Amino acid sequence: AQTVTQSQPEMSVQEAETVTLSCTYDTSESDYYLFWYKQPPSRQMILVIRQEAYKQQNATENRFSVNFQKAAKSFSLKISDSQLGDAAMYFCAYRSYGGSQGNLIFGKGTKLSVKP
Amino acid sequence: GAVVSQHPSRVICKSGTSVKIECRSLDFQATTMFWYRQFPKQSLMLMATSNEGSKATYEQGVEKDKFLINHASLTLSTLTVTSAHPEDSSFYICSAASTANQPQHFGDGTRLSIL
Repeated sequence: AQTVTQSQPEMSVQEAETVTLSCTYDTSESDYYLFWYKQPPSRQMILVIRQEAYKQQNATENRFSVNFQKAAKSFSLKISDSQLGDAAMYFCAYRSYGGSQGNLIFGKGTKLSVKP
Repeated sequence: GAVVSQHPSRVICKSGTSVKIECRSLDFQATTMFWYRQFPKQSLMLMATSNEGSKATYEQGVEKDKFLINHASLTLSTLTVTSAHPEDSSFYICSAASTANQPQHFGDGTRLSIL
């Protein structure tokens, strides 16, 4: 079974600075998807960024980028120029490629605080 | 695009009551919908996966007679918590995808409180 581990329960960053959230996972599959979701206090899950395992290039979405190390099974999220609105719980998630289920496996989350 | 509406957003009811939560995909057809449960300060745990027109697939440890899932159309799935008790109090979140391998879009969640 696949597992996702986020070793940082809480992180803090100064506004305008850069922060990196860690995520490791365990799988025997070669093809899969990895995601970072943001859950603000409003509780809605918002997709931040997505990475296909077969792509070597790291995904980037504006101020958000990932460092995907497939051999190390590591998938960290870097937030540049942090903003107050980035404060939220961040969940790393795994999903198998193919198959009929497609369900997400979440890590326990990292609570990010942004200091003004 | 890809909006998922979940209703109600909050429910407070007495023990023994059955509660129905709706999850609707507003601007796309969702062949697959997922129901998650989230305890305070914890991650989302998948409860079940529902595919339109077929029976839901429940995760281990989730009572299918307790948590009834119906996915009768391509835009609507419902979760009914039958004879709810205080231990069922939690945050329930649905997500929907056009197919199992497409990105999931989440609803806003339902805060269920059983007194």
